Amino acid sequence: GAGVSQSPSNKVTEKGKDVELRCDPISGHTALYWYRQSLGQGLEFLIYFQGNSAPDKSGLPSDRFSAERTGGSVSTLTIQRTQQEDSAVYLCASSQRPGSYNEQFFGPGTRLTVL
Amino acid sequence: QQQVKQSPQSLIVQKGGISIINCAYENTAFDYFPWYQQFPGKGPALLIAIRPDVSEKKEGRFTISFNKSAKQFSLHIMDSQPGDSATYFCAAKGEWGAGGTSYGKLTFGQGTILTVHP
Repeated sequence: GAGVSQSPSNKVTEKGKDVELRCDPISGHTALYWYRQSLGQGLEFLIYFQGNSAPDKSGLPSDRFSAERTGGSVSTLTIQRTQQEDSAVYLCASSQRPGSYNEQFFGPGTRLTVL
Repeated sequence: QQQVKQSPQSLIVQKGGISIINCAYENTAFDYFPWYQQFPGKGPALLIAIRPDVSEKKEGRFTISFNKSAKQFSLHIMDSQPGDSATYFCAAKGEWGAGGTSYGKLTFGQGTILTVHP
């Protein structure tokens, strides 16, 4: 795969259910980022991974949100007890290295709808 | 606190016209200013970027103008085409994480929906 892939592309869930969103970064990219895109808040940073470690989780909106990365590759964003305000497009991006001048490549996103 | 402010929210331009989108930032630690283009159903894609030691950068029909003293930067799209119709985001990088390194977190503007009429 040439680019960042995310699955599922769409997820509809009921309020209170848990959801898992998956990101497959570009092979060899050590830095991985999750962002959320919503009508009211625009594009906002959630969490950053360097390898399997998350030095910055400051953008996670609440303790219902968590993420992990394994093998320096795949990352999963988990939302527990989903709420309607969690409805958004969740975007994953990766870059070869962290830092300002390294381009981030975005996946197509997962559109989450909480009913 | 919104660290990057973008205007206008929407813009309609005729084919062949010039599209101009403006952004202003507050954090002087930012050291890289990319613009992203997003089509419906796709993730944002890097369009063009500039460092603050340069006042202008041009790539084809796309130009960034940067004013460090005013903490403002803008995107100019010359000879706008219907295929340019998309949402454009300005962004900034350079916030420093633990250990004194910039890890590349993007702070985005609110986005501009550009429509180019044929």
